[in-house]
Amino acid sequence: QPVLTQSPSASASLGASVNLTCTLSSGHSDYAVAWHQQQPEKGPRFLMTVNGDGSHSKGDGIPERFSGSSSGAERFLTISSLQSGDEADYYCQAWGTATWVFGGGTKLTVL
Amino acid sequence: QMQLQEWGPGRLKPSETLSLTCTVSGGSVRSASFYWGWIRQSPGKGLEWIGSIYFTGNTYYNPSLKSRVTVSVDSSKNHFSLNLTSVTAADTAMYFCARSPAAEFDVWGRGTLVIVSS
Repeated sequence: QPVLTQSPSASASLGASVNLTCTLSSGHSDYAVAWHQQQPEKGPRFLMTVNGDGSHSKGDGIPERFSGSSSGAERFLTISSLQSGDEADYYCQAWGTATWVFGGGTKLTVL
Repeated sequence: QMQLQEWGPGRLKPSETLSLTCTVSGGSVRSASFYWGWIRQSPGKGLEWIGSIYFTGNTYYNPSLKSRVTVSVDSSKNHFSLNLTSVTAADTAMYFCARSPAAEFDVWGRGTLVIVSS
């Protein structure tokens, strides 16, 4: 099954852009991953799925400021024009053979 | 638009069985388009997939919890359920239900907090 690795924390300034990274384990570099946002004291919200070819498909109502890309075993979530409301935990998630897995999450701080 | 809502006991004692229900509105649990899953989050921790079910009744479980978990569907009530036996304090968590068209969980419930304490 794939293992997903995320940095525990990231930070960027208000109005700037930030790239969050999710790395797939060896042998799973072609897997798609989903990105989820969890704001403080709230449940997760699906943002998008990022495929191995770099294409992505977003959930309903997700702003254009959120985009996805891919390079090898890495899947990226890019957030541009950062707002205070983007301060949240971000989780990547994949699906293996009859198994769903999550990364450990990245806590994004907006400075 | 489909919505999911979890229901549960809130608090239970060690060794008891946790039973949660997820009510689906705006769609049917009998849809061949979706898997239905349970995910939990211990206080201050990340997300952990517990188990999922397809409308056919096929179930899929996290190996670390498989011996204690049962996920089922009740199409007459349009809901699906989670049973977790022999709970301990380590099972204290926020429990979420979610819909999965394939790989991703694309619709989430708001979650229900379960506290295991004597």
